[in-house]
Amino acid sequence: GENVEQHPSTLSVQEGDSAVIKCTYSDSASNYFPWYKQELGKRPQLIIDIRSNVGEKKDQRIAVTLNKTAKHFSLHITETQPEDSAVYFCAATDTGGFKTIFGAGTRLFVKA
Amino acid sequence: DTEVTQTPKHLVMGMTNKKSLKCEQHMGHRAMYWYKQKAKKPPELMFVYSYEKLSINESVPSRFSPECPNSSLLNLHLHALQPEDSALYLCASSQGQGGYEQYFGPGTRLTVT
Repeated sequence: GENVEQHPSTLSVQEGDSAVIKCTYSDSASNYFPWYKQELGKRPQLIIDIRSNVGEKKDQRIAVTLNKTAKHFSLHITETQPEDSAVYFCAATDTGGFKTIFGAGTRLFVKA
Repeated sequence: DTEVTQTPKHLVMGMTNKKSLKCEQHMGHRAMYWYKQKAKKPPELMFVYSYEKLSINESVPSRFSPECPNSSLLNLHLHALQPEDSALYLCASSQGQGGYEQYFGPGTRLTVT
C-alpha cells in the first residue's frame, strides 16, 4: 500500500522567513496530494492541494510543488507569521480517490 | 453550510460500555470517513462510506461498528473497547471519489477507562 514520508518532524523559523516541508510517496498511482494544517486542539483543515497532472500551485504565501518522477512533493510557506505555527500534514490519495494516507506531520514554530 | 459536526465532544467510557459517536454534514457530500488520531500522530483511516455503502474497512477490530443511516449521517458504535482505543475520533466528508478536499469535524475525544 501507499506510504508517505514527511520531513522534517519539527521546524523552527523566524517570523518573515520561509519554511519548506518535504514529502515522498511510494505508490506511483497516487494522483491527489493535499496538505492539511492542524492547530492545537482543532480539526485538520486543507490549506492547498495539487493533482498529478500539475507541477506547481500557488495560493498567496503558500505554494506546493510536485515531482511525479521522483515521487516527492513539497510545501513552501513564504513570509511566515506566528499564526502559521501548527502541525502540517502532507497526504497522498489513491486513484480510487478515497484512501488518503497522511505523512507523520511537521510541527512548525514561527518565532516573533 | 460547510461544516461537519460531531457529538459528543468528549466521551469517557468503561471497557464494558456501549456508546455511539455521531457525525453529520449537510454539504451534499457522498463520501464520509472515520479516522482515529492519537496524540502527536497523523489521522489514521478507519472506514469510508460512499453513497451510504461501506467502501473501505482498514482492518478495524469488530468492537468498532460503523453505520451510515442516510447520506448526511455517520455513526460509529463502540463496544468492549480497550484503553489503547483512547484517541481523538475524527469524521470527515468529501464530494466523492477522484480526490476531493476532505472536510473534518472537530472530533470526539474518547477516553476508555
